[in-house]
Amino acid sequence: EAQVTQNPRYLITVTGKKLTVTCSQNMNHEYMSWYRQDPGLGLRQIYYSMNVEVTDKGDVPEGYKVSRKEKRNFPLILESPSPNQTSLYFCASSPGTVNTDTQYFGPGTRLTVL
Amino acid sequence: DAKTTQPNSMESNEEEPVHLPCNHSTISGTDYIHWYRQLPSQGPEYVIHGLTSNVNNRMASLAIAEDRKSSTLILHRATLRDAAVYYCILRSTNNAGNMLTFGGGTRLMVKP
Repeated sequence: EAQVTQNPRYLITVTGKKLTVTCSQNMNHEYMSWYRQDPGLGLRQIYYSMNVEVTDKGDVPEGYKVSRKEKRNFPLILESPSPNQTSLYFCASSPGTVNTDTQYFGPGTRLTVL
Repeated sequence: DAKTTQPNSMESNEEEPVHLPCNHSTISGTDYIHWYRQLPSQGPEYVIHGLTSNVNNRMASLAIAEDRKSSTLILHRATLRDAAVYYCILRSTNNAGNMLTFGGGTRLMVKP
């Protein structure tokens, strides 16, 4: 089944403790991205990747890192999480970046930073 | 990407058709109109997209006004599983980051 998977689905952590949220897609998509969703602010893009070893900042990249060493994986790294990074995170992928491409979203990771 | 305007919420009865409107008066000629929806506790999922002509797929129909300044997503027979937030999104050819700009969307409530 074609899908985007994320792990973990739920995570409670403390300020400053490094964490990684994994994202994997099995559709051989070139493009992947991370969004966060907050009440009243909607979904906002954090980082994106056009292909392996090509990443760039989205609208809200502060406090996050990403890497794209393999086509299928795009982990989101929080080196020193803070409470304002408490949010619902979604990974997405698409075949490319033309404006007819469909984006496929993962199930979400709910992160709480205490 | 150009801005879209949608009602905050709508209500429908089960098994009745639902028409979800979207205004996009500043749409440019090459912008595609996409619809996504987000069911409770899930990630957004693609519904349909179009440029000028009306479009149909297994999930819904998309009716696009002749001047393209508005569109309507049509669910032919709403089910309880269609209760979700529906987002109307314009995709331009010049979109650094290929970002989807999600507005507030329309929360659809389906009554049994």
